[in-house]
Amino acid sequence: NAGVTQTPKFRILKIGQSMTLQCTQDMNHNYMYWYRQDPGMGLKLIYYSVGAGITDKGEVPNGYNVSRSTTEDFPLRLELAAPSQTSVYFCASSYAQVDGNTIYFGEGSWLTVV
Amino acid sequence: KQEVTQIPAALSVPEGENLVLNCSFTDSAIYNLQWFRQDPGKGLTSLLLIQSSQREQTSGRLNASLDKSSGRSTLYIAASQPGDSATYLCARPNQAGTALIFGKGTTLSVSS
Repeated sequence: NAGVTQTPKFRILKIGQSMTLQCTQDMNHNYMYWYRQDPGMGLKLIYYSVGAGITDKGEVPNGYNVSRSTTEDFPLRLELAAPSQTSVYFCASSYAQVDGNTIYFGEGSWLTVV
Repeated sequence: KQEVTQIPAALSVPEGENLVLNCSFTDSAIYNLQWFRQDPGKGLTSLLLIQSSQREQTSGRLNASLDKSSGRSTLYIAASQPGDSATYLCARPNQAGTALIFGKGTTLSVSS
């Protein structure tokens, strides 16, 4: 059982470039999330989705976009990369609201913007 | 603002010690609280989920308690082992229940 799979694992971007972080889950979960984790700062929610076709902003959405065309996939797009977006990005999923349901995380994507 | 605070930020203990990690949160009207483990370079793994109707939850050598009235949760690790070395994070749902708010974590190091 693969769970939550993120690609790529590592990426170096130049300032101004764009890229997409891929996330897919095989647990038929309705809810999916993107978090970023900066050293010593905990995890911050970027975007989340409660089902295919439905997305909403989290705490730190600026500079990012998402889409949810299928239940399985929840890609995160970085437009015009900036050094402030250097971080570790985690995709996660849960069957229903996290208020009582276990959430499952991917292994993370390390992004450096230079 | 809903916040989650974890103390201490780092903890070093010798193998075999029992230890307690602390988590405090604003807004006592939460419905549950979760504890996670994160190994270096890895994602988060859910350890324990305490529902609002529960006061504690146990899994092996781990015991988590929840006191909503004081806004505190503790994670008790019994007979610590070097394999317990990791960062432990607690998290609570946001008001809408649509996502988790995380503390910054406590990094535990258990020496043999």
